Amino acid sequence: GAGVSQSPRYKVAKRGQDVALRCDPISGHVSLFWYQQALGQGPEFLTYFQNEAQLDKSGLPSDRFFAERPEGSVSTLKIQRTQQEDSAVYLCASSLVPAGIYEQYFGPGTRLTVT
Amino acid sequence: AQTVTQSQPEMSVQEAETVTLSCTYDTSESDYYLFWYKQPPSRQMILVIRQEAYKQQNATENRFSVNFQKAAKSFSLKISDSQLGDAAMYFCAYRSAGSGGGADGLTFGKGTHLIIQP
Repeated sequence: GAGVSQSPRYKVAKRGQDVALRCDPISGHVSLFWYQQALGQGPEFLTYFQNEAQLDKSGLPSDRFFAERPEGSVSTLKIQRTQQEDSAVYLCASSLVPAGIYEQYFGPGTRLTVT
Repeated sequence: AQTVTQSQPEMSVQEAETVTLSCTYDTSESDYYLFWYKQPPSRQMILVIRQEAYKQQNATENRFSVNFQKAAKSFSLKISDSQLGDAAMYFCAYRSAGSGGGADGLTFGKGTHLIIQP
């Protein structure tokens, strides 16, 4: 089937605006992850869902960041009152089973630029 | 917290030759998983190879193999017979066997940019 998709692929926001980034995981995948990848860096973990439950949000950098997955499939990462330091590529990944050695399948990312 | 270090920002290799990318990590855990991911330019990140820490045998996937040294906390990637399509950013990643507190996600290094010279 189709891989992980993300939309929009590119987003330009003025500082202070709210943005919403969408992730469509692979159908049937239980686990969903969000990562933030700054320019020239490796991805950094933000949050993790198992079905609709957000089990780990320890990587969210501030309370301006909020993620949800209400029906256990599509997920949205929302950033309120965007700041320039939020500029990055936001990657979504999904995995068939919750943990361990299993592969995480990554989407193409959303490149967010805050001006 | 775990950390992953890739000390080679960029590596260059001639097509058909062999190259080794370095990765070290720091952890107090005894059970964990290690991965190498490839991120081609403007394309999605894909898994190259993975290793379970409790397995002594080094993982191999076709032209890709690892040298896993648990005591030294080292996990290098060897690419044999390099091909033009191997050009990409390569990320080493760690995942805890536990859960919570960020353990569910992957901890990545900063990456190594691999250039293949034709």
